[in-house]
Amino acid sequence: KNEVEQSPQNLTAQEGEFITINCSYSVGISALHWLQQHPGGGIVSLFMLSSGKKKHGRLIATINIQEKHSSLHITASHPRDSAVYICAVYYNTDKLIFGTGTRLQVFP
Amino acid sequence: DAGVTQSPTHLIKTRGQHVTLRCSPISGHKSVSWYQQVLGQGPQFIFQYYEKEERGRGNFPDRFSARQFPNYSSELNVNALLLGDSALYLCASSGAGGLYGYTFGSGTRLTVV
Repeated sequence: KNEVEQSPQNLTAQEGEFITINCSYSVGISALHWLQQHPGGGIVSLFMLSSGKKKHGRLIATINIQEKHSSLHITASHPRDSAVYICAVYYNTDKLIFGTGTRLQVFP
Repeated sequence: DAGVTQSPTHLIKTRGQHVTLRCSPISGHKSVSWYQQVLGQGPQFIFQYYEKEERGRGNFPDRFSARQFPNYSSELNVNALLLGDSALYLCASSGAGGLYGYTFGSGTRLTVV
C-alpha cells in the first residue's frame, strides 16, 4: 500500500466546473505539498500546508490532520488548469513522499 | 533571481554508459534533493544533501551517487545505465528542509537505449 494515496487517478471536467482532488496519507506528517506538473515535466509548488486551509486565486487547499486527509479544490476550472496534480508529504525525514498524481483534463 | 536550473534538459545514453546530471539551487538554498520520475508514476526520492552532506538516501542501487559542492550545486551520477533508468530526474532545492517548502527544477529527461 502506498504511503500517499490520491483520488481520482484521472479526472475530466467541462470548463467552469468545480473540481476536487483528494489525498490520504498513512502516518503523521510535518507538512503536505500540492504540486502541479505540466506535460514536459516541470513541477510547480502550489501550496504547502501543515494545518487548516489556504487559498490562492481559484485554488483552495485544505488539510485535516486528525483524518490524515487533504483536498485540492479548483473553482471555475479552465482548460489551462489541465495538468497532473501531485500530493507530497514531508515526514521530517528529509524527503518528500509523493502520490502517483491525478491527471486533470478540462475541456472548453 | 533564477529558479532551480538543471542541465542537460534531455539526453540519450546507451546501456552500460555513465551519466552526470547537474542542478543549481536557488540562491541561498542549501538543501538539494534528487527524485526519479518514471513515466506514469509519481517521483521517487533518490538523495538529499544539505550543507554538502548526505542527509537521506532512497531505495536506489549503489550505481546511483551524488554530491554537493561548496556553492550548493549538486551532481547526480548514474553508472552502468540500464533501460529502466530512463526517467525524468528532478532536482528540488529548499532553504533548510521540507518545512520551508521546495522549488523544483524542470528536470532532465534521460533515455537509455
